[in-house]
Amino acid sequence: EEQLVESGGGVVRPGGSLRLSCAASGFNFDGYGMTWVRQVAGKGLEWVSGINSHGGNTEYADSVKGRFSISRDNAKNSLFLQMNSLRDEDTALYYCVRAGGSTVTTPRFYDMDVWGKGTTVTVTS
Amino acid sequence: DIVMTQSPLSLPVTPGEPASISCRSSQSLLDRNGYHYLDWYLQKPGQSPQVLIYLGSYRASGVPDRFSGSGSGTDFTLKISRVEAEDVGIYYCMQALQTPITFGPGTKVDIK
Repeated sequence: EEQLVESGGGVVRPGGSLRLSCAASGFNFDGYGMTWVRQVAGKGLEWVSGINSHGGNTEYADSVKGRFSISRDNAKNSLFLQMNSLRDEDTALYYCVRAGGSTVTTPRFYDMDVWGKGTTVTVTS
Repeated sequence: DIVMTQSPLSLPVTPGEPASISCRSSQSLLDRNGYHYLDWYLQKPGQSPQVLIYLGSYRASGVPDRFSGSGSGTDFTLKISRVEAEDVGIYYCMQALQTPITFGPGTKVDIK
């Protein structure tokens, strides 16, 4: 079974840092681009960041650019999101998502076909 | 950034009847390769989102054939031929033509 399991969420003060992790299983992790999508409770979906299959190309939403860093370890089937300078507005449920359309030869992050259950980040003083 | 809008934002439906959701983008989602980078997702209550349609009209694996996607350029439609009770939730369109990837505000579908 194709599965993504997030971890690393928690409560942090404004200005603090957190590192989210996502463990992938059941598929060839190094064959797909990966993304992070977040959702504030009761609100819509917001794309946060994406990384291609080899890790050589990363993209970010303007709201997190310069503060968040996405990375991956294909040897360990893992995706990461380093979040620095956290703000109240970063409070959300963070999903790890496979971009099924983003293969080695196709760089776009579409067909998000495998989602984790999410990990909650709460930024509060 | 590409802005995505949806209508309606709320859609009461009757089981067995058809339903339709519209999605509009602020610029064309047609790529030079001929594909429209528009996906549809459904988030059922208490669950993570799931993909229904990708590249405008391609049904994702395991998605019932009562779901169909159509459209071109900036205007897209998700149709449910006969709504079932399990189809309730929030439907989102998403553009993947360029980053930042953007989602529509969502359409809440519930049973009348």
